[in-house]
Amino acid sequence: DGGITQSPKYLFRKEGQNVTLSCEQNLNHDAMYWYRQDPGQGLRLIYYSQIVNDFQKGDIAEGYSVSREKKESFPLTVTSAQKNPTAFYLCASTRTEINYGYTFGSGTRLTVV
Amino acid sequence: QKEVEQNSGPLSVPEGAIASLNCTYSDRGSQSFFWYRQYSGKSPELIMFIYSNGDKEDGRFTAQLNKASQYVSLLIRDSQPSDSATYLCAANRAGTALIFGKGTTLSVSS
Repeated sequence: DGGITQSPKYLFRKEGQNVTLSCEQNLNHDAMYWYRQDPGQGLRLIYYSQIVNDFQKGDIAEGYSVSREKKESFPLTVTSAQKNPTAFYLCASTRTEINYGYTFGSGTRLTVV
Repeated sequence: QKEVEQNSGPLSVPEGAIASLNCTYSDRGSQSFFWYRQYSGKSPELIMFIYSNGDKEDGRFTAQLNKASQYVSLLIRDSQPSDSATYLCAANRAGTALIFGKGTTLSVSS
């Protein structure tokens, strides 16, 4: 079945540590997105990519980095520069020619310990 | 700053009633609009999308769009306890990413 897979489901980060969240899709979607959700809040855009080897910053890109070397993959690195990384991270994808809505992964819950 | 605004709720309705969820957006260039449902601890799932002014119906759900008023709504008929969730409204300008509201929490009591 086609879908979008995020891993791990839970992740714990120590102070000063970089961690990478994985996002893989087999939907043949061109565009991929990373959002962050804090308790009681909506989704805030971190980064998005509409084509391989290209990506754009969202509203809260500081302290995060991404790469898009393959169409299927869009990993997110939470760097030590992100001072408040505890949140629920959601990856999504969609076709670019007609947007019928995003398909979301199941999310990664990141906690700083 | 482009924004999507929703009343956070909670919106409480009895089982079988109509739930009405509302959303306004600030970017007049927005072209497509989406409603997602999110259960606690889960990822959002798409309920409906709408591009044109007017109503769009899908089962118990009706999305309404008024571009002149920059207003989007979702009606849920015959509300069920299983509809209890947070509903996220999102708007999109072509070539960019969805902007989400903070969501409205709906509680349907049996």
